[in-house]
Amino acid sequence: AQTVTQSQPEMSVQEAETVTLSCTYDTSESNYYLFWYKQPPSRQMILVIRQEAYKQQNATENRFSVNFQKAAKSFSLKISDSQLGDTAMYFCAFTGNQFYFGTGTSLTVIP
Amino acid sequence: KAGVTQTPRYLIKTRGQQVTLSCSPISGHRSVSWYQQTPGQGLQFLFEYFSETQRNKGNFPGRFSGRQFSNSRSEMNVSTLELGDSALYLCASSLALAVGEQFFGPGTRLTVL
Repeated sequence: AQTVTQSQPEMSVQEAETVTLSCTYDTSESNYYLFWYKQPPSRQMILVIRQEAYKQQNATENRFSVNFQKAAKSFSLKISDSQLGDTAMYFCAFTGNQFYFGTGTSLTVIP
Repeated sequence: KAGVTQTPRYLIKTRGQQVTLSCSPISGHRSVSWYQQTPGQGLQFLFEYFSETQRNKGNFPGRFSGRQFSNSRSEMNVSTLELGDSALYLCASSLALAVGEQFFGPGTRLTVL
């Protein structure tokens, strides 16, 4: 079975600090994509960052970076210099024959 | 380029009724996926359509159905509504099947009384 696990239902971080959200997945496929999506309180889901499984280099997008460990099937998201606008639900996802999403981590940035 | 649109945004129904939700993908996108989002459950995959054909289906009862039109617009239908069907229903579009990025709509909030 293909699954995505986010073991941290809620997290908080002080503004300007760094926080890491965890994600593990299980798949037998060798080629797939991994994603982190953000869903702010307004509910529009938007893509934060994407990683192709065949690439060894970790993806980065400004303050967002991932630590992709393919053998361990781990895909964590690091947010540096946290801002109030980062407060949201964060979903980890990967594509097998369809998209699989985790249950989400609710991140609160504290001023 | 316009984003994914979903109508209606809010809907209140009673048990036993049926409902149809609509999704218009981003122009040029041929894949449309539907998800049910409830607190604590994350996003549960309902189905994915590509070129008017259902290509993947999640683990939902037959009361949940969908279709895609030639212009890639998609509709989702839920018959014989149950209280547990209350959720946010999200539609996402992408260029191709289950690869690359999905672009999400704002969702339809369905409340079943």
